[in-house]
Amino acid sequence: AQTVTQSQPEMSVQEAETVTLSCTYDTSESDYYLFWYKQPPSRQMILVIRQEAYKQQNATENRFSVNFQKAAKSFSLKISDSQLGDAAMYFCAYTENSGNTPLVFGKGTRLSVIA
Amino acid sequence: DAGVTQSPTHLIKTRGQQVTLRCSPKSGHDTVSWYQQALGQGPQFIFQYYEEEERQRGNFPDRFSGHQFPNYSSELNVNALLLGDSALYLCASSPDAQETQYFGPGTRLLVL
Repeated sequence: AQTVTQSQPEMSVQEAETVTLSCTYDTSESDYYLFWYKQPPSRQMILVIRQEAYKQQNATENRFSVNFQKAAKSFSLKISDSQLGDAAMYFCAYTENSGNTPLVFGKGTRLSVIA
Repeated sequence: DAGVTQSPTHLIKTRGQQVTLRCSPKSGHDTVSWYQQALGQGPQFIFQYYEEEERQRGNFPDRFSGHQFPNYSSELNVNALLLGDSALYLCASSPDAQETQYFGPGTRLLVL
């Protein structure tokens, strides 16, 4: 079974600085998708960024970017120019590329942003 | 364009009771998945509905059941509630054969 591991239960970053959240996963599949979701105290799970495993180029979305290392099964999220609104739980998730397979989530990393 | 909506936002029940949670998918989405998120944990997959049928199921007992209606909205039913069923229940929708799922705000269930 696929597993997703987030080894950092909590992280903190100064406003305007850069922080990296770690994620590793285990799968025997060669084609899959990886996601980072943000869950603020409002509880809404918001999609931050997604990466297709067959693409070598790392995904970017404004201040958010990933470092996807397929051989190492590593998928870290970098947040640049951190803002107070970035404070939230961040979840790494995996799904197979077979259409509508369930998301497998890590346990999350709580990010605090210090003003 | 409305996103995924869920009702109610909060619910308090007692052990042994039954509960029904509701979800309306994002416009244009025909697939609905349900997840349970215990406090301090990541979401766990319960089941997925497509064309009014349960297509996949996670490791949850038969007390958890669901339904999808012709307009793609969905219900999650939990019978014989246990204290351990207290959690945030998340609904996610996606177009068929698409990998990205979009989540609703969740229903917080407390079982006393």
